[in-house]
Parts: sequence; structure tokens; C-alpha cells
Amino acid sequence: EDQVTQSPEALRLQEGESSSLNCSYTVSGLRGLFWYRQDPGKGPEFLFTLYSAGEEKEKERLKATLTKKESFLHITAPKPEDSATYLCAVQAAEAQKLVFGQGTRLTINP
Amino acid sequence: DAGVTQSPTHLIKTRGQQVTLRCSPKSGHDTVSWYQQALGQGPQFIFQYYEEEERQRGNFPDRFSGHQFPNYSSELNVNALLLGDSALYLCASSLQGREAYGYTFGSGTRLTVV
Repeated sequence: EDQVTQSPEALRLQEGESSSLNCSYTVSGLRGLFWYRQDPGKGPEFLFTLYSAGEEKEKERLKATLTKKESFLHITAPKPEDSATYLCAVQAAEAQKLVFGQGTRLTINP
Repeated sequence: DAGVTQSPTHLIKTRGQQVTLRCSPKSGHDTVSWYQQALGQGPQFIFQYYEEEERQRGNFPDRFSGHQFPNYSSELNVNALLLGDSALYLCASSLQGREAYGYTFGSGTRLTVV
């Protein structure tokens, strides 16, 4: 069964303090690994898709990396507006569904 | 460019009742997926519709059913509501074969069963 585990469950940082969020996964043939950001009361907002080990993608202060067993979302010099829940999801080959982790709730204090 | 539109935004129903939630996909998208998100959890896949057919279904009972219309919009129906059905219901749209560009989610319908 495809599975995604995210850690930590919650992370509190000071503005400018860089850190990383972890997403460990098991999947029967990876079609894609997705990162989403979700603000309270809103739907998930797409950030990145990664396909194969070694791939990296960047967007502003965020950088996502992928290995065969896990993905990291690196946050460099975060700002308070980066506070949100970050969700990781995998899609298996020949599958339509996304399997999500429980998310990491990130808080950036000014 | 309108994103995914869901209605209603909030809903309160009584145990045993039936509910219908609606979703209009992002312009240019032809595939709609439904997810249930309990508080503090990640979304769980309910089912996906493409060309008015259910393509894949998650581990949800038959009380959960859906439909896709020729204009690609979709409905999620839940019968015999249980207290445990209280959650945020999310609709996600995509273009078949272009999922790599990401599924676009709506803001969801918050369903409370009392």
C-alpha cells in the first residue's frame, strides 16, 4: 500500500531561520511526488512536482529535492507569510489518486 | 482565469440526511477528483471522474457517489450521513495527461454533521 509520512508534525522558526521538512514515502512505482501549501480554511496550493531521484526544483525561498525514499522541502530565510501547512503527496504509476501525508504545520515568527 | 469553484462553502446537516456538493473545474481542465480532509489530517482520495465515468475509487463506502456532467462539472453525493462524515471536502481538477502541472484544488466545502 502506498504511504507518505511527513515530519515534523509542527515546526516553529524565527524569521530568517532556515530549515527543512521531510517527506518519506513508499509507492509501487513513482509517477510523481507533489508538494502543496495549505492555508487555514483554504484548499491546497500547488508548489512542485518531482519525478525522479536527484531532481530539484526551486520557487522563491523554497527548494524541493527527491531521493528514492524521501523528499525534502528546504526553506531558506523564511518570512512570516511562509507560515502554512505543507503537504506532500505521491502518485503511483497507473494510478489516478494522490496519497497525502498528514502535513507539517510551519509557523514563522517575526 | 477562474480556478476551481466549489459550493456551498459551509453546510450543516443532521445525521441520516443526504447532501450534494458541487464543483466547477478550472477552465481547460477535464478531470475532477474529490477528497475528504479531516481536521489536522491530509486529504484522502474519494474518487475521480473523467469523460463522465468514475476512473478510480478510494476506500469509501457506497454512501459516497458522484457524477460528472458534459461541461466537466461534478457533484459529490453522500447518503445517510454519519457524524464521522464531518470534514472539509475538496475538489481538484486537472487536464488528462498533464497532471505533472499539478492538480488545482478548490477552497472546499466544510460539512458539519450534527
